[in-house]
Amino acid sequence: QKEVEQNSGPLSVPEGAIASLNCTYSDRGSQSFFWYRQYSGKSPELIMFIYSNGDKEDGRFTAQLNKASQYVSLLIRDSQPSDSATYLCAVDPGGYNKLIFGAGTRLAVHP
Amino acid sequence: DAGVIQSPRHEVTEMGQEVTLRCKPISGHNSLFWYRQTMMRGLELLIYFNNNVPIDDSGMPEDRFSAKMPNASFSTLKIQPSEPRDSAVYFCASSFEVNEQFFGPGTRLTVL
Repeated sequence: QKEVEQNSGPLSVPEGAIASLNCTYSDRGSQSFFWYRQYSGKSPELIMFIYSNGDKEDGRFTAQLNKASQYVSLLIRDSQPSDSATYLCAVDPGGYNKLIFGAGTRLAVHP
Repeated sequence: DAGVIQSPRHEVTEMGQEVTLRCKPISGHNSLFWYRQTMMRGLELLIYFNNNVPIDDSGMPEDRFSAKMPNASFSTLKIQPSEPRDSAVYFCASSFEVNEQFFGPGTRLTVL
């Protein structure tokens, strides 16, 4: 079983819709959770992090964490074609900034 | 700030040759990470340094790989001898303590 699992997609949504990206993790003691965006041919860039159960909002992005279910998600409201990218979920099991990445979900937002 | 700098951006070499990848972290950052990304295995952590000291090298695939950080502003990842299965994009990232990791542009390595 992989430590961090994501659906590889592609997830296709129309412009203006809500995109929902999901991630599960196996280490129940994990404390920190991150969402990175990676455009094709580019390096990953951090868009959200979350440490506590519940929701965290930043502009059009909302991260949701449920530690009991070992589940973290990213919602993108009012999706734009510029949001089309691969979204990587990352988990820090030990709190030492040693990240374990999922395989990523490719998001395609079509006009 | 210039961000994390990596060189070369592209490297094409033949099997058996030595390859050296270079990284300059963001000034003031004290943690440095080397990652490898492939379609098959995704983004994997190879090794990370804290205050120039290797903390965890459990991700280094085998003895052909080695990494050094002689000072706070420079690190190298060496592969000797290189093999076709080493072809990947190698990213260097840096952070200050246990905060956001900033990734460099990556080095695309092709081993023929």
